[in-house]
Amino acid sequence: EDQVTQSPEALRLQEGESSSLNCSYTVSGLRGLFWYRQDPGKGPEFLFTLYSAGEEKEKERLKATLTKKESFLHITAPKPEDSATYLCAVLGGFQKLVFGTGTRLLVSP
Amino acid sequence: KAGVTQTPRYLIKTRGQQVTLSCSPISGHRSVSWYQQTPGQGLQFLFEYFSETQRNKGNFPGRFSGRQFSNSRSEMNVSTLELGDSALYLCASSSLAGPNTGELFFGEGSRLTVL
Repeated sequence: EDQVTQSPEALRLQEGESSSLNCSYTVSGLRGLFWYRQDPGKGPEFLFTLYSAGEEKEKERLKATLTKKESFLHITAPKPEDSATYLCAVLGGFQKLVFGTGTRLLVSP
Repeated sequence: KAGVTQTPRYLIKTRGQQVTLSCSPISGHRSVSWYQQTPGQGLQFLFEYFSETQRNKGNFPGRFSGRQFSNSRSEMNVSTLELGDSALYLCASSSLAGPNTGELFFGEGSRLTVL
């Protein structure tokens, strides 16, 4: 069964303090790894898709990387508006998207 | 371009009742999937529809069912509600040609409370 584990569960940063979120996964035949952002009371918002080890994607202060066992979401010089829950998901051979439980990020000014 | 629309946004039911939730995908999107989100379990896949056909189903009991109409709108139904069914139910649509994609556009969800 495909599994996704995200760490830490919660992370508190000062504005400008860079850090990384981790997503470890086990999957049968990775078809894609996905990062989403979810604000309170909203549905998740798609950020990135990664397909193979070594791939990287960037968007503003966010950069996602992928290895054969894990993915990292690097946040450079975060701002308070980056506060949200970040979700990681994998799509494998069973063709069912499996989500982790997320990392709650709080960026203080 | 309008996003994914889910109705109702909030509802309260009692145990044993049934509920129907509705989802209108982004115009032109033919793939619709449903997820249950709870604090303890996170997002869990319920089912996915593509061109009115259920393409995949998660590990939920038969009380959970769904369908998709010819205009791609979708409904899900939960019968004989239990307290544990209290959750945020999220609908998502996809623009990609095939089903089973992870690049999804989510609605804001329907928050169900079962008393």
